[in-house]
Amino acid sequence: AQSVTQPDIHITVSEGASLELRCNYSYGATPYLFWYVQSPGQGLQLLLKYFSGDTLVQGIKGFEAEFKRSQSSFNLRKPSVHWSDAAEYFCAVALSSGGSYIPTFGRGTSLIVHP
Amino acid sequence: IAGITQAPTSQILAAGRRMTLRCTQDMRHNAMYWYRQDLGLGLRLIHYSNTAGTTGKGEVPDGYSVSRANTDDFPLTLASAVPSQTSVYFCASSALAGGEIGGYTFGSGTRLTVV
Repeated sequence: AQSVTQPDIHITVSEGASLELRCNYSYGATPYLFWYVQSPGQGLQLLLKYFSGDTLVQGIKGFEAEFKRSQSSFNLRKPSVHWSDAAEYFCAVALSSGGSYIPTFGRGTSLIVHP
Repeated sequence: IAGITQAPTSQILAAGRRMTLRCTQDMRHNAMYWYRQDLGLGLRLIHYSNTAGTTGKGEVPDGYSVSRANTDDFPLTLASAVPSQTSVYFCASSALAGGEIGGYTFGSGTRLTVV
């Protein structure tokens, strides 16, 4: 069964500092990869996605993620964090199976931003 | 505005009662999904539908049923609610064309409390 791991439950950074959120998956093939953000009381918003091609993906709100096949990782980065980035972040993977792409989500990483 | 509408926004339900959570999308997406979100567990798939007329079971389907009579609607029914079904429920959809998916769009969620 496919699985995705976000090793960090909470991450605390100071405003203006750089950020990296980790995501690892376990599959034989390269899945579709996503990062979502959820603000308190809200639904999930897509930050970026990787299907193929360039392994460095740019997303919204200044986020980027790098796919590393050798490490089965898809880590999310931002060079300078803003207070408004405080939220829950979810990594998701989806693998083609019989014509469907059912996403599996990690348990999430809560980002806390100190002023 | 294109997207997913979930209703109700929140509900307090007596144990043993029947409840249907509504989900409607106006993007003509092929696939739709129901997730529940619980603290520390991330999002877990309940049921999914790859296209109108078909449904499938996810990771935690027990106690839930779905139907997909048309492209736009994907209601989730709790036949006899139990307190362990207290959760936030998210409906999502995705377009599947040419063997690729375009990401997943989420509704704003339904907060359900079973007492």
